[in-house]
Formats: sequence, C-alpha cells, structure tokens
Amino acid sequence: RKEVEQDPGPFNVPEGATVAFNCTYSNSASQSFFWYRQDCRKEPKLLMSVYSSGNEDGRFTAQLNRASQYISLLIRDSKLSDSATYLCVVNMRGRDDKIIFGKGTRLHILP
Amino acid sequence: DTGVSQDPRHKITKRGQNVTFRCDPISEHNRLYWYRQTLGQGPEFLTYFQNEAQLEKSRLLSDRFSAERPKGSFSTLEIQRTEQGDSAMYLCASSLGTSGSREQFFGPGTRLTVL
Repeated sequence: RKEVEQDPGPFNVPEGATVAFNCTYSNSASQSFFWYRQDCRKEPKLLMSVYSSGNEDGRFTAQLNRASQYISLLIRDSKLSDSATYLCVVNMRGRDDKIIFGKGTRLHILP
Repeated sequence: DTGVSQDPRHKITKRGQNVTFRCDPISEHNRLYWYRQTLGQGPEFLTYFQNEAQLEKSRLLSDRFSAERPKGSFSTLEIQRTEQGDSAMYLCASSLGTSGSREQFFGPGTRLTVL
C-alpha cells in the first residue's frame, strides 16, 4: 500500500457544485496533515492544515478520520478559479520526521 | 520579494554533465527541503536540512546527488553525470521551526531538461 494515496481524477465539476476528495495514508503514526493547491506549472501553496476536530475556511472544509486513516477536502459553491491540483500531505513524526505528498487530484471547474 | 527563490529557473544540459541549483529560503526559516516533481506526480521528497545539518536523505537521492547548506542559509543541490531520467522540476521549500508540522513555502522551482 502506498504511503499516501489520492484519486488522480480529473474531477470535472460544474461551477457552483460541491465536490469532495479523499486521501488515504498508510502509517497510523502520521501526525500532521495538510492540503496544498498547485496550479499548472506553479509551485504548491498551502490551502489548509487539517485538524483532528475538522476545520473550515470559507468554502473549504477539511476533515480527518484517524480510525480509517483518511483526510478529506470539501469545496462548496465551486468557482472557476478552484481549478487546480490538490495535493494531500502527511507528516509522520518520529525518527525521520517524514513528509509525504500524494500525487494530487486534478479538479476542473466547468463554466 | 521575501519568498523562496531558486536559480536558475530553467536548465538544459547534455547527459553526463554536472549541474548545480541554488535555493534561497525565507530568511528566518530553519528548515529547507528539496523535492523533485515530474509531470502528473506530486513532489517527491529528496532531502532536508535543519539549519546547516542535513537530517534525512531519500532513497531517491543516489550517489550522484549531493546537497549542502553550509551556513544554514542558502542551499545547493548538485547532480553529477546527469541522466535523462533526472529531467524534472526541482522544488525547494522552507519552513519555520524544528518539525515537519509547519507550513512549507515553496520556491518557483528549477526545471531541468537532460538531453
């Protein structure tokens, strides 16, 4: 099983719709979780951290399910500008303090 | 601009040549990371520094790759005897603090093409 797995998509979603993607991780010792956004030919940028209790930032909601070892990202009222690749990032604290990026989920918002 | 900078932005080289990339992190950031990204993939971790100490190296980092951060500020990544498989975007990121739980700020990357 890969350390961090995401559905690569693409997700083609009409503007205004709600879309959600999940990311699963294999190591139960994982401690910190993030969603990064990457536009085409640009560097990744932090979208939001994911907290144990779940967190919301405007139209974006992130949740963590430790029992099932996945995190999710929900985007409400999607905008054309939300079109991007969404990268799931997991930090496994411990001796190595590893940071693992998923391969990303591509999202296309359709007008 | 006080963000992470990388130089050069693009590098085209012939197989077998050596290349060196530079990363200047955000000035007060302790941690500096190097990643490699190919089309359709997420960034793959290569190595990271805590100040001037290199704390971890990925198995992806073969003997042909070496990274330094001599004064705990800028870092260089050198690839010796480049191969076509080295063609990728090389990303540098920095973060504040002493753990991987902090936000990473990425530079624009150096795109390497090995002919």
